[in-house]
Amino acid sequence: GQNIDQPTEMTATEGAIVQINCTYQTSGFNGLFWYQQHAGEAPTFLSYNVLDGLEEKGRFSSFLSRSKGYSYLLLKELQMKDSASYLCAVRDSNYQLIWGAGTKLIIKP
Amino acid sequence: GAVVSQHPSRVICKSGTSVKIECRSLDFQATTMFWYRQFPKQSLMLMATSNEGSKATYEQGVEKDKFLINHASLTLSTLTVTSAHPEDSSFYICSALEAPDVGEQFFGPGTRLTVL
Repeated sequence: GQNIDQPTEMTATEGAIVQINCTYQTSGFNGLFWYQQHAGEAPTFLSYNVLDGLEEKGRFSSFLSRSKGYSYLLLKELQMKDSASYLCAVRDSNYQLIWGAGTKLIIKP
Repeated sequence: GAVVSQHPSRVICKSGTSVKIECRSLDFQATTMFWYRQFPKQSLMLMATSNEGSKATYEQGVEKDKFLINHASLTLSTLTVTSAHPEDSSFYICSALEAPDVGEQFFGPGTRLTVL
């Protein structure tokens, strides 16, 4: 079966750095996405990785290792507004998105 | 990024009535649209995939006669919840793709459905 694993909840301090891991087992691979979702709102796109390596976009970076079925989202200089759920999703061989359950990130002052 | 709108953003209805939710891609043509449902503190659950001009493909366990999907044009898909019941209360989110094999899914803002 297809499976996406990510931690349920993480806590970090304002101004610090946090890494959210995601491991996956899917039928084929056509890219990995990270989305941010605030409570009661729809997800918003953060990053897309299809090749191995690190993609940096401002305070957020995403890493992919296809051989290990592993990705992480790195958030730097954490701000209170970064408190949200972070969803990892993999596009499989049918170009369908397989979603992780999300990681709730709590930022403390 | 591309914009997807949903209407209404919130709806409250009585049990047994039908509710229609619209999803529009505002600045691009969406060959494929997806409908998701999300219960509180749970992840997104794909309900169905619709391609313009063809019948929607429903995920296992989703009743196609209860959740009617119409994707009549490249910019509009509708989800109709027929004979709604309290257990249908949820957050319904649509997303759209310009082409099925490239790019990200663009999400609408979601519709909060409450069935009394």
